[in-house]
Amino acid sequence: QVQLQESGPGLVKPSETLSLTCAVSGYSISSGYYWGWIRQPPGKGLEWIGSIYHSGSTYYNPSLKSRVTISVDTSKNQFSLKLSSVTAADTAVYYCARQGELFDYWGQGTLVTVSS
Amino acid sequence: QSVLTQPPSASGTPGQRVTISCSGSSSNIGSNYVYWYQQLPGTAPKLLIYRNNQRPSGVPDRFSGSKSGTSASLAISGLRSEDEADYYCAAWDDSLSVYVVFGGGTKLTVL
Repeated sequence: QVQLQESGPGLVKPSETLSLTCAVSGYSISSGYYWGWIRQPPGKGLEWIGSIYHSGSTYYNPSLKSRVTISVDTSKNQFSLKLSSVTAADTAVYYCARQGELFDYWGQGTLVTVSS
Repeated sequence: QSVLTQPPSASGTPGQRVTISCSGSSSNIGSNYVYWYQQLPGTAPKLLIYRNNQRPSGVPDRFSGSKSGTSASLAISGLRSEDEADYYCAAWDDSLSVYVVFGGGTKLTVL
């Protein structure tokens, strides 16, 4: 069974960089599929952030592209998200997911709050 | 403002059939598959329908999806209390670059 688990700081200061990691078990990232990040502000809808292939090929939401970097570490079977220059508007639950049939397996999500 | 448009709320009584609509454009729903997700309170979204009308293993056949032109619908028949959740549609969009768009979500209440 494919399982994903997000980890990282739950509190980030404004203007700093948000960093999260998604550990994958039950499936080798090197075997294929894209792997993505999605976020959900409190009480609001879902927003796709970006996705990465095991080769390192990436594509991002145009509205966030200038601030987002997604990377992959196949040796650790994990991928990561960095979002720079954060503001309160970036406060959200961040999910990682396997992009099989457009996100068929999801992590449980992690709340990141941007506040001083 | 979400790229895909859904009604913010829907409701029904147990046993009823409810439909949730999702409206888009030629660059997303009109030319790509539609996906539906169910999000129970406090949990991660769960894939409910893929490629317009396919159900993943384990999803009851009470849930069905359809697409016509630039719109799609999710139908839930034999409504049950445990169906009370938020439902989201999603699709690829080819307008600017290839990217994923979601609807704003529909909160389904079982009366």
